[in-house]
Amino acid sequence: EPEVTQTPSHQVTQMGQEVILRCVPISNHLYFYWYRQILGQKVEFLVSFYNNEISEKSEIFDDQFSVERPDGSNFTLKIRSTKLEDSAMYFCASTVYRDRGETQYFGPGTRLLVL
Amino acid sequence: SQQGEEDPQALSIQEGENATMNCSYKTSINNLQWYRQNSGRGLVHLILIRSNEREKHSGRLRVTLDTSKKSSSLLITASRAADTASYFCATDPFTYALNFGKGTSLLVTP
Repeated sequence: EPEVTQTPSHQVTQMGQEVILRCVPISNHLYFYWYRQILGQKVEFLVSFYNNEISEKSEIFDDQFSVERPDGSNFTLKIRSTKLEDSAMYFCASTVYRDRGETQYFGPGTRLLVL
Repeated sequence: SQQGEEDPQALSIQEGENATMNCSYKTSINNLQWYRQNSGRGLVHLILIRSNEREKHSGRLRVTLDTSKKSSSLLITASRAADTASYFCATDPFTYALNFGKGTSLLVTP
């Protein structure tokens, strides 16, 4: 069964460094998402992406964050200058369409630790 | 807030028993989805129920949706130790974002 994959599974970085988290959505899916989950807290929406554009973003997704689909398979989340509070599990998700019956399929996550 | 909120926060049962988790939300929704998360792992989609549906089954899972009360329930029948996980409801309020609740932590003991 097709699944969303994410790399790396774990990333440790120093505060102020740039990180890029990578995702490969399910191949025929058209809508892509990033969420994050700070340890012990709920999953929070960051951004959605369709047709090479951001379709929606949350207040969390400030100028330090960016997303890109550099080729036909990868979807990336870049954090330009990481902060301690960026430490979280980051999940990528994808859907075929965006209508009332679509399931968002999540990847296994990247655990980011900012020191 | 449009977020789903689950209760109870934690539930401990024995194998073979049924587990019921509830979710409440505040605004109109497109659909509601339930996910499972094993400790420190990814989110596994369990079931989606559309706003015009009242009940849905998938294996040992039964989900109900009452849009008049803005609530949903997830029933796991004949629970197993492998069902131990956190369970989240996520509402789709006609935007791109899913709004997750804080989850119910289920412990199933042999």
